[in-house]
Amino acid sequence: GAVVSQHPSWVICKSGTSVKIECRSLDFQATTMFWYRQFPKQSLMLMATSNEGSKATYEQGVEKDKFLINHASLTLSTLTVTSAHPEDSSFYICSAKARTYEQYFGPGTRLTVT
Amino acid sequence: SQKIEQNSEALNIQEGKTATLTCNYTNYSPAYLQWYRQDPGRGPVFLLLIRENEKEKRKERLKVTFDTTLKQSLFHITASQPADSATYLCALDTGANNLFFGTGTRLTVIP
Repeated sequence: GAVVSQHPSWVICKSGTSVKIECRSLDFQATTMFWYRQFPKQSLMLMATSNEGSKATYEQGVEKDKFLINHASLTLSTLTVTSAHPEDSSFYICSAKARTYEQYFGPGTRLTVT
Repeated sequence: SQKIEQNSEALNIQEGKTATLTCNYTNYSPAYLQWYRQDPGRGPVFLLLIRENEKEKRKERLKVTFDTTLKQSLFHITASQPADSATYLCALDTGANNLFFGTGTRLTVIP
């Protein structure tokens, strides 16, 4: 099946610093990429949708200046958490939608802000 | 209001039996329905996609049905194994790009 990678798989950073998470579709070109957040024992919460070469569309309540998304190519999207605070600690997961409509998820990135 | 409900939060079955998970939805018109497996601390893994005009889809020990009249999808795992223990998520794609996820069912296969 199609593979989506995420890097890093986990990161610990100090409050006030920024963290960048990369998402790559390794063996297919993604029409659209998505960023989700998941809290323990809860379902995935969509944060934003991005298409290559255009601005991301953010879900209500998600601060676009805090969660910067760049979709540089059909295989790469990045999420930067700017000026991170402890409440931003979470599990962040990206996904990529194939032209055949399946959506493939990355393994996730565990962010801990101290 | 829109809802996607998976029949139970947790399901325990004996190894070798068939596990049947249910996904019911209201006030959605999905073009596609997808099933995922998620293990703790990992992203969801894609299992099967079924289109609105398909009744059934199979892949190895997995079978998915989709009834747009009942607004329901059933997900079956035959000859279940302890390694099948995980949380299973159904997700609706209305064609508007993003997926809408169900609440998930945590399946435990008992040896």
